[in-house]
Amino acid sequence: TQLLEQSPQFLSIQEGENLTVYCNSSSVFSSLQWYRQEPGEGPVLLVTVVTGGEVKKLKRLTFQFGDARKDSSLHITAAQPGDTGLYLCAGVPSGTYKYIFGTGTRLKVLA
Amino acid sequence: EAGVTQSPTHLIKTRGQQATLRCSPISGHTSVYWYQQALGLGLQFLLWYDEGEERNRGNFPPRFSGRQFPNYSSELNVNALELEDSALYLCASRPWGSTDTQYFGPGTRLTVL
Repeated sequence: TQLLEQSPQFLSIQEGENLTVYCNSSSVFSSLQWYRQEPGEGPVLLVTVVTGGEVKKLKRLTFQFGDARKDSSLHITAAQPGDTGLYLCAGVPSGTYKYIFGTGTRLKVLA
Repeated sequence: EAGVTQSPTHLIKTRGQQATLRCSPISGHTSVYWYQQALGLGLQFLLWYDEGEERNRGNFPPRFSGRQFPNYSSELNVNALELEDSALYLCASRPWGSTDTQYFGPGTRLTVL
């Protein structure tokens, strides 16, 4: 079974703090996507990382794809209450056509 | 460009009834995926349609079914509703030839009483 394990599962931090969310697998992925989902809404695509070792920055969010393309991380600098939500990584393990989602990280940023 | 749309936004049914949920993909996207997300849980893959054909289904009973129409819109049907079917049902689409990056609709909140 191909799994995408995310850690931590829950995270509650104060506004202004930094945090990192991890997405790990034993499978290789051709690419990984990160989504953020707010309660009662569909996930919204944040970024796609494709190349091993790739780093992408979106304002205060930094995404990294592992060299072996088996893991990824999301780092948020100076978190704000608007960053609150469920963060999901997702992708298609190489050799399959099955799109799988990570277990999710629920982030709450307190003002 | 319009995103993925789903209807209805909310649906309330009673046990044993049938529910029909609808999804319109982004223009040009041929694949449609359905997911179930129970409260506080992750996304559980339900069905994948591409070019009008069911390509894959998740570990759900046969009372969960659907179809894709020639215009690539899709319908999810849930028969003999059970209380545990209460969830947010999400539809996603992706363009032809792409194996990743799905774009999600806002979901349909199904409540079974």
